Amino acid sequence: AQSVTQLDSQVPVFEEAPVELRCNYSSSVSVYLFWYVQYPNQGLQLLLKYLSGSTLVKGINGFEAEFNKSQTSFHLRKPSVHISDTAEYFCAVSETGGFKTIFGAGTRLFVKA
Amino acid sequence: DTEVTQTPKHLVMGMTNKKSLKCEQHMGHRAMYWYKQKAKKPPELMFVYSYEKLSINESVPSRFSPECPNSSLLNLHLHALQPEDSALYLCASSHLGEGNGYTFGSGTRLTVV
Repeated sequence: AQSVTQLDSQVPVFEEAPVELRCNYSSSVSVYLFWYVQYPNQGLQLLLKYLSGSTLVKGINGFEAEFNKSQTSFHLRKPSVHISDTAEYFCAVSETGGFKTIFGAGTRLFVKA
Repeated sequence: DTEVTQTPKHLVMGMTNKKSLKCEQHMGHRAMYWYKQKAKKPPELMFVYSYEKLSINESVPSRFSPECPNSSLLNLHLHALQPEDSALYLCASSHLGEGNGYTFGSGTRLTVV
């Protein structure tokens, strides 16, 4: 079985500063990795995904993530955040050949003016 | 059409009521999902349908009854719910095949009184 750990429950950051949201996963088989964003009172939106190939993945809204197999990590980064990036961010994993996607506990990104 | 539409957006029901949640997508996705999300928690998988057939039931109590009448529609029938079932119910869909991210609806906020 796979699991996902998001290392920070909350990340406060000032506007235009860089941010990194950390995610570690555990699985005995190959996995696919995802980051989703959830704005208040809305569903989740896919930011980016890693399936294979290049370990640096670019997504929507200027976000990118780097897959590190040796450290079993998939950290999300943005070089300069905006107030509108304030939201809950979920790292997720699914096993190759499987139907189930498991979500981490979430990290609340709070961007301050 | 790149959306998953969920109705109603809000629902208040008594413990003896019967109600249904509806989910619709027209993206040609053949996998559809129900997730339950409690406040400040990640989404938890309830059911997975592929090709209109139930593939996964995550040991959900029988007071929740899913139905997939066709490839575009997914229903969740509710009966004799408990107050602890109050949550945001999210529907999602995806293409079948590995590594496909989900498209989520905005959810139905359910309150059981």
